Amino acid sequence: AQKITQTQPGMFVQEKEAVTLDCTYDTSDPSYGLFWYKQPSSGEMIFLIYQGSYDQQNATEGRYSLNFQKARKSANLVISASQLGDSAMYFCAMRELNSGGSNYKLTFGKGTLLTVNP
Amino acid sequence: NAGVTQTPKFQVLKTGQSMTLQCAQDMNHEYMSWYRQDPGMGLRLIHYSVGAGITDQGEVPNGYNVSRSTTEDFPLRLLSAAPSQTSVYFCASSYYLRGHSYEQYFGPGTRLTVT
Repeated sequence: AQKITQTQPGMFVQEKEAVTLDCTYDTSDPSYGLFWYKQPSSGEMIFLIYQGSYDQQNATEGRYSLNFQKARKSANLVISASQLGDSAMYFCAMRELNSGGSNYKLTFGKGTLLTVNP
Repeated sequence: NAGVTQTPKFQVLKTGQSMTLQCAQDMNHEYMSWYRQDPGMGLRLIHYSVGAGITDQGEVPNGYNVSRSTTEDFPLRLLSAAPSQTSVYFCASSYYLRGHSYEQYFGPGTRLTVT
């Protein structure tokens, strides 16, 4: 079974509107972390936001927020006030923290390509 | 800080050739890893290291070797290149952030084509 599922291969949003990118995950580990990365067309991987499984509040970083619903195992990324520069591939990733020596590695979803229209 | 650097940026190999992708970080991170990115597959972990002298296999290790003789460097060796190894390769390093997270810094990537 996939550990990280991103069901939206592509999304379109109008400039200045908000958009939600979906991510569901599968783990039996009670301690884990969830990440979102942005990959623009230039190819680099840019860290956006992090949510720990024990964090009481949803993470926010500027225009990015993470809608964390633990019981549903979802960690959706919300981008408010979209900008043309937000057009990129977005990856959700998970780290399971109790997996012994492997607790540094990330498991990635397949990504969602976001296009922001003017 | 230069962050995570990778060389070369682009490489074309013939089937059967060997080469080493270089990765270096100047942030004194203990953890380093190599991923490959293929279209529609996301990033998949090849090998990782939790410190100098310690390496382990990830999800797709076949055809690749690594070593970690220093904290700074983590080269990835392709022993006998195959067309299936055509991909974009990312090196990443991590440090400890807050109570639970390990933010990973990624290098700019190496685009490898095997003909």
